[in-house]
Amino acid sequence: AQSVTQLGSHVSVSEGALVLLRCNYSSSVPPYLFWYVQYPNQGLQLLLKYTTGATLVKGINGFEAEFKKSETSFHLTKPSAHMSDAAEYFCAVRGYGGSQGNLIFGKGTKLSVKP
Amino acid sequence: DAGVTQSPTHLIKTRGQHVTLRCSPISGHKSVSWYQQVLGQGPQFIFQYYEKEERGRGNFPDRFSARQFPNYSSELNVNALLLGDSALYLCASSLAPAGGRETQYFGPGTRLLVL
Repeated sequence: AQSVTQLGSHVSVSEGALVLLRCNYSSSVPPYLFWYVQYPNQGLQLLLKYTTGATLVKGINGFEAEFKKSETSFHLTKPSAHMSDAAEYFCAVRGYGGSQGNLIFGKGTKLSVKP
Repeated sequence: DAGVTQSPTHLIKTRGQHVTLRCSPISGHKSVSWYQQVLGQGPQFIFQYYEKEERGRGNFPDRFSARQFPNYSSELNVNALLLGDSALYLCASSLAPAGGRETQYFGPGTRLLVL
């Protein structure tokens, strides 16, 4: 079965500082991994995804994530935080079996950006 | 182009009532999935429909049902509402059945409050 663990329910950084949001996954098959962002009172927006190929994936708004199979991790980073990055971030893995390819999400990490 | 749309945006019901939530996918998308997001948690998969047929079901009771119409829009129905059904209900659409590299695009959600 697939699962996702996001370390840290709340991360706070200063504007201009590095953003690092941690995600570890468990999967019995090669995983497809996703990061979504959710702004207050809105739905989910895809930031980036890893399927196959290059392990460093670049997404929108300056975010990127690196797939590390040996560490079963898919951490999300951004070199310099902006106030507009304040939101909740969800890591997800593609499910198999009964979930028929739908997404299995972590519990989310809320990012706060201090001026 | 219009994204995924959902109606209503907010809904208040009392225990034991029935509710119907609606979703219109992105034009050209034939697959619709429903997720439940309880406050403080990541979204959890409920149903997937493709070409009007159920393609997957998550671990939800039979009080939850859904259907997809010939124009690919979808309804989620919940009977005998419980307080625990209070959540944000998200609809996601994709071109093909969710799986592999397929990206799901999410709507803004319907926030249901059960009193």
